[in-house]
Amino acid sequence: EAEVAQSPRYKITEKSQAVAFWCDPISGHATLYWYRQILGQGPELLVQFQDESVVDDSQLPKDRFSAERLKGVDSTLKIQPAELGDSAMYLCASSLAPPAGGGGEQFFGPGTRLTVL
Amino acid sequence: AQSVTQPDIHITVSEGASLELRCNYSYGATPYLFWYVQSPGQGLQLLLKYFSGDTLVQGIKGFEAEFKRSQSSFNLRKPSVHWSDAAEYFCAVGAGGTSYGKLTFGQGTILTVHP
Repeated sequence: EAEVAQSPRYKITEKSQAVAFWCDPISGHATLYWYRQILGQGPELLVQFQDESVVDDSQLPKDRFSAERLKGVDSTLKIQPAELGDSAMYLCASSLAPPAGGGGEQFFGPGTRLTVL
Repeated sequence: AQSVTQPDIHITVSEGASLELRCNYSYGATPYLFWYVQSPGQGLQLLLKYFSGDTLVQGIKGFEAEFKRSQSSFNLRKPSVHWSDAAEYFCAVGAGGTSYGKLTFGQGTILTVHP
């Protein structure tokens, strides 16, 4: 069964350092999402790609976060510099696109747990 | 803007008992509604979804949910809970139009199952 792959699964870093997360969506899924899930809360969308283009990054803290999907397949989310408040689970999801009327099912990866010390 | 409220942060039930998890949404048009389950340290798995049509939706693992437009609710139910159902459950609403399927999640309900 096809799955969304993410790496690393766990990352511990010190504040002010740079971190990067990688996501490989299900083959053929043109839409890719990055969510941040703070402990005790639901996931919150950070950025959404349609192929290689960003279609929504309204909640992405652009002073320190960046995301790219250069060839429209896998994607990288970067934080530089990391802050204590960035400690969270970072989830990647993908869906067939464009999701008709917004109802496309999103398939989630296992996430990357980031701890900033 | 769309929003989702899950009023119960934590629910405890006995194995074999029935379960209902509450979800209320706010959205200006016909919503696309989802329930996801998350085991500790894992990603989210889709349980069921509502797009249109029959308001009673069947999902995996014996779960079902009923869409009630008049109450802006999409409650999740299961007639008999198994110990393996212990997890965190998230309700989400999907945007249509030009929002390209953005999901807004509730804060989640943690389910504990007693033997």
